[in-house]
Amino acid sequence: AQKVTQAQTEISVVEKEDVTLDCVYETRDTTYYLFWYKQPPSGELVFLIRRNSFDEQNEISGRYSWNFQKSTSSFNFTITASQVVDSAVYFCALSDTGGGNKLTFGTGTQLKVEL
Amino acid sequence: ETGVTQTPRHLVMGMTNKKSLKCEQHLGHNAMYWYKQSAKKPLELMFVYNFKEQTENNSVPSRFSPECPNSSHLFLHLHTLQPEDSALYLCASSQVNRPPYTDTQYFGPGTRLTVL
Repeated sequence: AQKVTQAQTEISVVEKEDVTLDCVYETRDTTYYLFWYKQPPSGELVFLIRRNSFDEQNEISGRYSWNFQKSTSSFNFTITASQVVDSAVYFCALSDTGGGNKLTFGTGTQLKVEL
Repeated sequence: ETGVTQTPRHLVMGMTNKKSLKCEQHLGHNAMYWYKQSAKKPLELMFVYNFKEQTENNSVPSRFSPECPNSSHLFLHLHTLQPEDSALYLCASSQVNRPPYTDTQYFGPGTRLTVL
């Protein structure tokens, strides 16, 4: 069975601090995909990144970076030099071949960036 | 219009009302989804449509009735709802071509539903 755990319910940082959001997943499949979404107060889930299980290279996109480690079943997300506009709920999600085109979401991490 | 749109954005209804939520995707996708997001609960998948055919009903009560007339439109018909059905209802779409069917899902802004 698929499972995604985001142990951090809420994180508060001061602007310009770096922050890492943790994501741990469980799957029996060798082929799977991991996602991060951002949900600002407006409610829409905004797609950030998709990684497949065969690509363990870390990825950087501007102030965002992702660390995928199969050995620990983790897919952590770091925001460098956080800004107030980064305040949102961030969701990690998993899709594997057994689940077809279904996503299993974590419970989300509420990030608050203050001035 | 671009991406995935949902109407209305906010809806208040009584338990005896009948209403419908509408979702439209402008991405050329062939799969559409309904999710429910309640306070302090994980996102719950409700229904999946692939190529206009319902392929998933995640034990959703019959007071929620989905309809997918074509690959661009998805409706959620609501009747005799309960206060606990108050939630944010999100629609998503993706492209499904071949196994492992895991293309990215793109979400709409959601309809915030309040049942009195």
